[in-house]
Amino acid sequence: DGGITQSPKYLFRKEGQNVTLSCEQNLNHDAMYWYRQDPGQGLRLIYYSQIVNDFQKGDIAEGYSVSREKKESFPLTVTSAQKNPTAFYLCASRDRGSNQPQHFGDGTRLSIL
Amino acid sequence: GNSVTQMEGPVTLSEEAFLTINCTYTATGYPSLFWYVQYPGEGLQLLLKATKADDKGSNKGFEATYRKETTSFHLEKGSVQVSDSAVYFCALSDPSEDSSYKLIFGSGTRLLVRP
Repeated sequence: DGGITQSPKYLFRKEGQNVTLSCEQNLNHDAMYWYRQDPGQGLRLIYYSQIVNDFQKGDIAEGYSVSREKKESFPLTVTSAQKNPTAFYLCASRDRGSNQPQHFGDGTRLSIL
Repeated sequence: GNSVTQMEGPVTLSEEAFLTINCTYTATGYPSLFWYVQYPGEGLQLLLKATKADDKGSNKGFEATYRKETTSFHLEKGSVQVSDSAVYFCALSDPSEDSSYKLIFGSGTRLLVRP
């Protein structure tokens, strides 16, 4: 089955530690996105990539980093510079075409120890 | 800038009741509009979409019509089920303003359907 796989489902971070969230898709989509969801709020864009080896900052990129070395993979690193990392993180991908929707993974919940 | 406003929840209904969740938007260009649904502990699933004025999106008994004159995209369902209990998000994408095709979301509306 085609889809987006995020791992792990739950992740805990210690103070001063970087952690990496995995996102893999087998939909052959060119564009991939990372969003952050806080309780009772909508999603906000962290980073996006529209092609391999290229990515752009979204609205709340500070304290995060990404890479796009392969079409199917778009990992997100939450660095120690991100002072409030506790949130639900969602990865999405999108096919080419102006009216194509984004498809989402099941998310990773990150908490601070 | 572009934005989406949804009615606050929770919306509590009895099974088989009629559902309306209001969504209005502000956009400078010609956005596409979406409704996504999120079940507890899961990601978002696309429920329906509309890409131009007067388009009606529909899926699983849910409908929404793209109203440019009122800048609205209200979600409706004629008879809700307990299994419809979830959080519903209205969103827009406006590539004429932002080539990233990013989604701008409303804050979500929680729906609780009682047996």
